[in-house]
Amino acid sequence: DAKTTQPTSMDCAEGRAANLPCNHSTISGNEYVYWYRQIHSQGPQYIIHGLKNNETNEMASLIITEDRKSSTLILPHATLRDTAVYYCIVRPGSSNTGKLIFGQGTTLQVKP
Amino acid sequence: DTGVSQDPRHKITKRGQNVTFRCDPISEHNRLYWYRQTLGQGPEFLTYFQNEAQLEKSRLLSDRFSAERPKGSFSTLEIQRTEQGDSAMYLCASSLRTGGSYEQYFGPGTRLTVT
Repeated sequence: DAKTTQPTSMDCAEGRAANLPCNHSTISGNEYVYWYRQIHSQGPQYIIHGLKNNETNEMASLIITEDRKSSTLILPHATLRDTAVYYCIVRPGSSNTGKLIFGQGTTLQVKP
Repeated sequence: DTGVSQDPRHKITKRGQNVTFRCDPISEHNRLYWYRQTLGQGPEFLTYFQNEAQLEKSRLLSDRFSAERPKGSFSTLEIQRTEQGDSAMYLCASSLRTGGSYEQYFGPGTRLTVT
């Protein structure tokens, strides 16, 4: 599975957009980019995933570069409840197991 | 609540004792996963089931660990002869495979403390 690189931590002002980057330069053609987050003392929560095209849902937007070597998760209007560890994961779409390989993630602190 | 549930939420045990955790997945999900998470680290994959079949086990899953999913519904994870190094959060997740991509839904976890 392709490895991802994320900044260790980021701050964001409440109400502003939070842009979380992820590098996955070794991603291959059939691998999806997934984002999960984990709020303190809770299980991880699925946010969004994509293959090539940009994706948007009620939680966030995912922007994938044309060469697919990096992506950005955008929380359009961050709130204090968005403070969490955000994990960027690359996984084959045809994976037999579907297991997720988590890295260290980015700790996002949303400040008032 | 139709999410993934885990029981107990917290468990404190003495070294050498056996413990068992239960996971109830989302009802229509055919895949069930166990992960372990230690402080400051991301979750690590332990094992997964498709229906009742255990199809992959991580090297992290020593002989003291055993998981079952009878009838393809709930799952149990047992740790025998617990060690202090087993102290961690044990997370269960479930998913429904449709096509080439699918999301996993996690439970709240069971926090194990071995004294």
